[in-house]
Amino acid sequence: DSGVTQTPKHLITATGQRVTLRCSPRSGDLSVYWYQQSLDQGLQFLIHYYNGEERAKGNILERFSAQQFPDLHSELNLSSLELGDSALYFCASSPGTAGNTIYFGEGSWLTVV
Amino acid sequence: AQSVTQLDSQVPVFEEAPVELRCNYSSSVSVYLFWYVQYPNQGLQLLLKYLSGSTLVKGINGFEAEFNKSQTSFHLRKPSVHISDTAEYFCAVTPPRNTPLVFGKGTRLSVIA
Repeated sequence: DSGVTQTPKHLITATGQRVTLRCSPRSGDLSVYWYQQSLDQGLQFLIHYYNGEERAKGNILERFSAQQFPDLHSELNLSSLELGDSALYFCASSPGTAGNTIYFGEGSWLTVV
Repeated sequence: AQSVTQLDSQVPVFEEAPVELRCNYSSSVSVYLFWYVQYPNQGLQLLLKYLSGSTLVKGINGFEAEFNKSQTSFHLRKPSVHISDTAEYFCAVTPPRNTPLVFGKGTRLSVIA
């Protein structure tokens, strides 16, 4: 158990819908990262928050947004869902930023039908 | 920008045989290097990391990796594998600044009894 909690574990939704994935980082960790894992793209970095502020943005679509709240939990919002958005979405956390080990949650499986 | 190439997508190996999973990276600056393992239906777990110092890094479960700056490689090795080592292995890189990990596409290690 990494200490990173993600909900829901599985989610099935229809195209065009909107979903929210939630992440609670390890106790004391200030950084939260979101990654998308799919068969064709591998592990793609989406976005990084540190203590409530966006620090880096990767291959995140405009239909996707995220935020980190004062209690340090984070949410990833996916809207206007398409079939190609079906993937495993990981949240990870670390104490700081550079050089720290990143601890991953078990992921949220999203299936868009 | 940094990139990671894992040269083998799949590696089958017999139980108790040695294994090497290859990883090459590309970066114009110094980097930190990581190996993560993903067991079926689980998140990623850190195996080992290189930040500085000795180029031979020992990790969990009997794995080790050697950082070779001249060849820009960070190959993962284990002298004798077990069935339980069957998993997906990811190499990752980040420069020692405020940037997220960049992952390779992964190598699926299958240990055969």
